[in-house]
Amino acid sequence: QVQLVQSGADVKKPGASVKVSCKASGYTFTGYYMHWVRQAPGQGLEWMGWINPNGGGTNYAQKFRGRVTVTRDTSISTAYMELSGLRSDDTAVYFCAREGDTGGSDWYAFDIWGQGTMVTVSS
Amino acid sequence: QSALTQPPSASGSPGQSVTISCTGTSSDVGVYNHVSWYQQHPGKAPKLMIYEVNKRPSGVPDRFSGSKSGNTVSLTVSGLQAEDEADYYCCSYVGATPYVFGTGTTVTVL
Repeated sequence: QVQLVQSGADVKKPGASVKVSCKASGYTFTGYYMHWVRQAPGQGLEWMGWINPNGGGTNYAQKFRGRVTVTRDTSISTAYMELSGLRSDDTAVYFCAREGDTGGSDWYAFDIWGQGTMVTVSS
Repeated sequence: QSALTQPPSASGSPGQSVTISCTGTSSDVGVYNHVSWYQQHPGKAPKLMIYEVNKRPSGVPDRFSGSKSGNTVSLTVSGLQAEDEADYYCCSYVGATPYVFGTGTTVTVL
């Protein structure tokens, strides 16, 4: 079945970087954009950025530009999100999510989600 | 780009209907039909319920419907069931940004 499986929880110190992985299965990885969304404890959803696995093009929310890098390895159908300069307010669950598509018609919506990765930033 | 505005909470009794609003501006919701809705149960990943304002992905019950008027989109849940109790988020494509979520609404089934 179509699924996204993310790496496990991580704890980082302020100023460090974290890299979260998202392995896709059950569909053609290069056929769908992959997005990253985060959710701080008790808070709402926040869009971070996307990658086009077919070519590697990216786009990031203004808030995260300069700190976030999304990459992919098509040989293992895996996307990565790296966030640098971590602060305590980066403590959140980070989700990867596939952008839906039907026969080349973009849904502009996220139809498959990973299980989430808890990243805790603490000294 | 500011978050879209949703009411913090909404409620209804089993079998009733509840409607959640999501208000943006003429730069996002008002100009694009690329609005989606997500259901999120505690500790779980969000689930896509509606895309392109009023389209349902396969497997989503037809009790869930979406609509749009001007700068506001709405999600209506008809025939409320206990399992509909969750947080709901709208999301709009806004071009350059390019996505912004709503503030979220907690739906309680009384």
